[in-house]
Amino acid sequence: KNEVEQSPQNLTAQEGEFITINCSYSVGISALHWLQQHPGGGIVSLFMLSSGKKKHGRLIATINIQEKHSSLHITASHPRDSAVYICAVNSGGSNYKLTFGKGTLLTVNP
Amino acid sequence: DGGITQSPKYLFRKEGQNVTLSCEQNLNHDAMYWYRQDPGQGLRLIYYSQIVNDFQKGDIAEGYSVSREKKESFPLTVTSAQKNPTAFYLCASSIRVQPQHFGDGTRLSIL
Repeated sequence: KNEVEQSPQNLTAQEGEFITINCSYSVGISALHWLQQHPGGGIVSLFMLSSGKKKHGRLIATINIQEKHSSLHITASHPRDSAVYICAVNSGGSNYKLTFGKGTLLTVNP
Repeated sequence: DGGITQSPKYLFRKEGQNVTLSCEQNLNHDAMYWYRQDPGQGLRLIYYSQIVNDFQKGDIAEGYSVSREKKESFPLTVTSAQKNPTAFYLCASSIRVQPQHFGDGTRLSIL
């Protein structure tokens, strides 16, 4: 079993819909990251969380440390949000190493 | 603008050949990383370096080598010992626990 599990693997939505991507992890962590990978392959860091909730534009990330669970929400989704969204955690006492989920492929249709 | 530059974008390797992937950053970050991405799998750590002249093996270091002679540069060599090198390779850098900055990647294929 992977230390970081994401669901769903694939998600198709219509423009304007509210989207939720989930991430569960099985180890103690110091931080959780949400990343975005566009079709060209480059990766951008969206959020780093250790508790609570963060918001940036239409993106909201939450984390529940007790339940070892995080969610990434996208409000008013747009076709340009189409990408792979990746959850990753700093664990094992290392402040440097990340363990990654397999990613969620989001497609937003106009 | 500060960032990470990976080159080349596409690379082809012949059987038995070593190839080197370049990664340069001008973010003044101490830590640098190399990851491998295969279809349907999460990124896996190959090597990382926290300071110049020091680096550690990640989860899948066999068949790869690195050097860190300068803070800005962390080249990755895919040796002939790596029997399945076809993958997408990503370089990243960070300051301690801060979010990692990623390059645009190099796609390596076998001729």
